[in-house]
Amino acid sequence: KAGVTQTPRYLIKTRGQQVTLSCSPISGHRSVSWYQQTPGQGLQFLFEYFSETQRNKGNFPGRFSGRQFSNSRSEMNVSTLELGDSALYLCASSATDGTGGRYTFGSGTRLTVV
Amino acid sequence: SQQGEEDPQALSIQEGENATMNCSYKTSINNLQWYRQNSGRGLVHLILIRSNEREKHSGRLRVTLDTSKKSSSLLITASRAADTASYFCATDAGQGGSEKLVFGKGTKLTVNP
Repeated sequence: KAGVTQTPRYLIKTRGQQVTLSCSPISGHRSVSWYQQTPGQGLQFLFEYFSETQRNKGNFPGRFSGRQFSNSRSEMNVSTLELGDSALYLCASSATDGTGGRYTFGSGTRLTVV
Repeated sequence: SQQGEEDPQALSIQEGENATMNCSYKTSINNLQWYRQNSGRGLVHLILIRSNEREKHSGRLRVTLDTSKKSSSLLITASRAADTASYFCATDAGQGGSEKLVFGKGTKLTVNP
């Protein structure tokens, strides 16, 4: 069974640009979550999607958005990039529908904003 | 905001020794999970313990959960150099059907050969 696939693995962007990150969950998983990891703030929850609906959102500005497609693949977008957006962005998928379960994480996208 | 706080922040031991990491959290949970991360890569799920369980084992891993103290511990027995990684506890406090993990800042474990 293929794991969670995140693309691209590395990305360098300039301040003010926008970026789109992609996540393909494990086949059959309908819940996809996104997390930001930085040395200072640690792992922070961004948002969670289930069946194309955003069910939960973390405490991030509106520049951070996401969506989920009918095949459960998800994308997150960050507009007007700031230096502080440099981070490892992790996507996780889960087979459960809110009853709690294990998450499978992708290898992440390392975003560097210069 | 961080829900869990791991203790210690860093731990250095010799191969063969046991490693114990602790985690405290603040609110009611559905379950608590432990993950491992190698050098800024993705997180690997280690073990999940539900709020109505007190102890769980998986291979060389033993997890305990004390909901009255809002704390958990992860014990790795007979450690190996390959166990060198950062370990995170995460609480699943999703409500209304949503799923959300809240992570602690992690314990960086170094196992010296």
